[in-house]
Amino acid sequence: QAVVTQEPSLTVSPGGTVTLTCGSSIGAVTSGHHPFWFQQKPGQAPSTLIFDTNNKFSWTPARFSGSLLGGKAALTLSGAQPEDEADYYCLLSYSGAVVFGGGTQLTVL
Amino acid sequence: EVQLVESGGDLVQPGGSLRLSCAASGFTFSSYWMYWVRQAPGKGLVWVSRIKSDGSVTEYADSVRGRFTISRDNAKNTLHLQMNSLRVEDTAVYYCASVRPGHWGQGTLVTVSS
Repeated sequence: QAVVTQEPSLTVSPGGTVTLTCGSSIGAVTSGHHPFWFQQKPGQAPSTLIFDTNNKFSWTPARFSGSLLGGKAALTLSGAQPEDEADYYCLLSYSGAVVFGGGTQLTVL
Repeated sequence: EVQLVESGGDLVQPGGSLRLSCAASGFTFSSYWMYWVRQAPGKGLVWVSRIKSDGSVTEYADSVRGRFTISRDNAKNTLHLQMNSLRVEDTAVYYCASVRPGHWGQGTLVTVSS
């Protein structure tokens, strides 16, 4: 199975902008991988932020956006808030399987 | 209100079996693929298995293929995961999720230990 890679940790200042990326070991990430992004805070179940690269749910804060960037899926947070401190995971679809990335621990500091 | 409620997690010895269930409500369960995802203590999310909306297609991670079986009952809005030949490394919180509409359960803890 493919390996999906994410930055292990990132730090952003309050009000700042940060981009998290999600790469695939077997080539460029495309819309055909149907990238999803999830947020998980300590002690809580994951929450889905983005589906199919750049689509938001009704509960997704407007400051989060998804895209494809340089052969990877990307999650951009513009105007970071303290409550955005969490772990973020991407998910990519392949033939016969889906694979999560290892997660990015985002610190707002 | 959408709800996914997992049950069946327990302490089991290596080599044992467990059956997890997930009761769904508040959305059209029969329209979506359903997933099992696990998270070992202090670790990341790992996909375990998924099943197509009508149950006709099932897929498994390499680590569980041949030991776990996913199934669903659309008449009862219920998802199951039969776990056999359990190993210490299967210890995790198991979440059911309907990924595309964005719904997750709160998880059930499976501990495999002697």
